[in-house]
Amino acid sequence: EIVLTQSPATLSLSPGERATLSCRASQSVSSYLAWYQQKPGQAPRLLIYDASNRATGIPARFSGSGSGTDFTLTISSLEPEDFAVYYCQQRSNWSWTFGQGTKVEIK
Amino acid sequence: EVQLVQSGAEVKKPGESLKISCKGSGYSFTSYWIGWVRQMPGKGLEWMGIIYPGDSDTRYSPSFQGQVTISADKSISTAYLQWSSLKASDTAMYYCARRGPGEFGNYFDYWGQGTLVTVSS
Repeated sequence: EIVLTQSPATLSLSPGERATLSCRASQSVSSYLAWYQQKPGQAPRLLIYDASNRATGIPARFSGSGSGTDFTLTISSLEPEDFAVYYCQQRSNWSWTFGQGTKVEIK
Repeated sequence: EVQLVQSGAEVKKPGESLKISCKGSGYSFTSYWIGWVRQMPGKGLEWMGIIYPGDSDTRYSPSFQGQVTISADKSISTAYLQWSSLKASDTAMYYCARRGPGEFGNYFDYWGQGTLVTVSS
């Protein structure tokens, strides 16, 4: 099973600041990595797929990069509604795995 | 509009059985895999298994194999997650999610609202 490790666990930032979240895979996943956003009391929402493609309706301030084992989600300028938990996710054969999450909180 | 609507919150005692549901609409239910994801209180997301309603082909995470049963009734566009004997450690939010088509097949593009299952004596 491929393990995804996210860092940091918590990111304390102010609105308008840039957020950089990391996801590392235990073995190469090529570019087959997604990022989800989850707000309290809500289901996860797909943000980024195939490492760098924004899902439908996702604002341009969200961007993803990386390939192989190292991936980054960047939020260029945090809006109040962006404070949430973010998960990376990959699929290998018949196994989907998620990272443990990074919480982006208001400083 | 694609929608996955899950059944309501449940409170059960240890040892009881339970079946929760996920009804799809706004798309061809038999043509997309439906996965189940567990989120224990304050914790992250764990993939449990996935079913193709068209032919009921089902795959489980090794962590959940034998612990739960996933099924589907394509005549009413509904997928199910069931337990035969609940434990306190099954207390969690459970989400169903649609596996994306084609190039999106590695991801879950639509999610249900979640079903909270509480198991307590």
